[in-house]
Amino acid sequence: EAGVAQSPRYKIIEKRQSVAFWCNPISGHATLYWYQQILGQGPKLLIQFQNNGVVDDSQLPKDRFSAERLKGVDSTLKIQPAKLEDSAVYLCASSLTDTNTEAFFGQGTRLTVV
Amino acid sequence: KQEVTQIPAALSVPEGENLVLNCSFTDSAIYNLQWFRQDPGKGLTSLLLIQSSQREQTSGRLNASLDKSSGRSTLYIAASQPGDSATYLCAVPPSGGSYIPTFGRGTSLIVHP
Repeated sequence: EAGVAQSPRYKIIEKRQSVAFWCNPISGHATLYWYQQILGQGPKLLIQFQNNGVVDDSQLPKDRFSAERLKGVDSTLKIQPAKLEDSAVYLCASSLTDTNTEAFFGQGTRLTVV
Repeated sequence: KQEVTQIPAALSVPEGENLVLNCSFTDSAIYNLQWFRQDPGKGLTSLLLIQSSQREQTSGRLNASLDKSSGRSTLYIAASQPGDSATYLCAVPPSGGSYIPTFGRGTSLIVHP
């Protein structure tokens, strides 16, 4: 069974530039999550999708972050413009449904903003 | 708001020891509890999922217990090996509303030969 795919694996950009991350969840998984993990901390949820609808984006800095899952499958997370404090690993996860099921994570995208 | 605490933050042990990693959470109304392993520079790998109605789950040398009433879970690693070196995270989603796991900061484990 293919896992959650993310790209790119690494990205280095200058502050104020834009960047986009892509996630392809496990086939058939209705729920998709984007997490931000700063070095030394646990992952923090940015946004949760159920199919193509947003369930929770309360911790997404909407002035600079945006995410979409237009067809309810793949998802993209964008940062525009990036700040130094956005340096982190961005993890995508998916689960079969949004209740009581196991979450599977991708390898993550390590972003460095210089 | 759910808060998840993991103790210890870091652990360094010789190979062969039996280990105990602790996870505590403030809101006992949970769907389940999931333990993950994270290797440096990698994503999270699910180790064990304990449903809220269960008290423990076992997989190989790993055993996780759950005590909802006291807001605690423990991950036991038997006969530790250098390959167990990683960060171990627990995640707890609330039982009400959507399944949105809250993570602890993790326990960084080093097992040296």
